[in-house]
Amino acid sequence: DVKVTQSSRYLVKRTGEKVFLECVQDMDHENMFWYRQDPGLGLRLIYFSYDVKMKEKGDIPEGYSVSREKKERFSLILESASTNQTSMYLCASSLWTGPRFGEQYFGPGTRLTVT
Amino acid sequence: QKEVEQNSGPLSVPEGAIASLNCTYSDRGSQSFFWYRQYSGKSPELIMFIYSNGDKEDGRFTAQLNKASQYVSLLIRDSQPSDSATYLCAAGSNYKLTFGKGTLLTVNP
Repeated sequence: DVKVTQSSRYLVKRTGEKVFLECVQDMDHENMFWYRQDPGLGLRLIYFSYDVKMKEKGDIPEGYSVSREKKERFSLILESASTNQTSMYLCASSLWTGPRFGEQYFGPGTRLTVT
Repeated sequence: QKEVEQNSGPLSVPEGAIASLNCTYSDRGSQSFFWYRQYSGKSPELIMFIYSNGDKEDGRFTAQLNKASQYVSLLIRDSQPSDSATYLCAAGSNYKLTFGKGTLLTVNP
């Protein structure tokens, strides 16, 4: 079974702090993704990576950066946390390129609260 | 702005009935389409994907795609209470998935 793990299930941070969310997958997948999920707005793509050290912006990259130094690990960084970044953050991975990239396996999520 | 629209529901069906979930998408460049199921408090899990016009069946699930109408649907036959969840439709192109806001399905015993 594919396993995608995220470093924390719940996280509380203060406004202005630098926040690191870690994601690890154990199936040698090429592609990794970071999403946030908010009530009424659904699931939105923040960043994705299709190879080590490669990253691409998703639909809502403002206020975030990412790092992928190893194939199995993809980190999401909030440079200066703000209250509007309070959300559920979901990491996903996918083996496939081409149309099948959307066959994604999701981690359990990190619920981040910024106060 | 790419959009995926779903009926927000909730959709309520009796056990054993067919549940029909619908989705439209705005980006004609979308190449692939996915249905994810999300139980309350859990993360999404993939249940179906479809790339070509027509129907694709997998057990009790059938996905239907009509690219001319920009329409995707999911049929769940012999619905079970365990099918009660939010169903997310997603359209994909160039490594980006655009999700709908989901349809909440309740299957009543």
